[in-house]
Amino acid sequence: DQQVKQNSPSLSVQEGRISILNCDYTNSMFDYFLWYKKYPAEGPTFLISISSIKDKNEDGRFTVFLNKSAKHLSLHIVPSQPGDSAVYFCAADYSGNTPLVFGKGTRLSVIA
Amino acid sequence: DAGVIQSPRHEVTEMGQEVTLRCKPISGHDYLFWYRQTMMRGLELLIYFNNNVPIDDSGMPEDRFSAKMPNASFSTLKIQPSEPRDSAVYFCASTLAGEQFFGPGTRLTVL
Repeated sequence: DQQVKQNSPSLSVQEGRISILNCDYTNSMFDYFLWYKKYPAEGPTFLISISSIKDKNEDGRFTVFLNKSAKHLSLHIVPSQPGDSAVYFCAADYSGNTPLVFGKGTRLSVIA
Repeated sequence: DAGVIQSPRHEVTEMGQEVTLRCKPISGHDYLFWYRQTMMRGLELLIYFNNNVPIDDSGMPEDRFSAKMPNASFSTLKIQPSEPRDSAVYFCASTLAGEQFFGPGTRLTVL
């Protein structure tokens, strides 16, 4: 049973527009959420995170929103750039130092 | 720090052969994770260690898979005998707390 779900396997966005990647989770114990970005032939790299005590965290062009009541988080990238084209994984954690639970990923293509 | 180091980067082997994947975590990190990435399942956790001790190996698919961490700076994931369905990218990751740092992965192809 998947505890972290990314229901869109792929997304295409025009350069300069906003990219919105979605993630849903089922385990209400999760209290820390992360987004990872993965380029081909490389390992995933950490992008941004949010604690469950917040509903928004912003870092430059990247913003993560958390809706605890809906068990939903989203990653906004604005403006999108061709270099943002990658696979994005949503991950969740609880009680610290437990293994992250990953979604299956969403492949983002930013078209110039 | 060089980050998490994995070797080999690519491995092609024949069904039935033994395969050993290697990982060097970031110095000072006390957690080490082995993941497998496939199109169907995404990133699956296979096993993780804390202070060199295996904590949870429930993700290891079969007895053909085994992992060791003889010291804080080295871990191996072994598949014996390998099968074509084991073909995937295998990642090692380490952490001290929170964010995990991933290695570049080993792409395994079993013919």
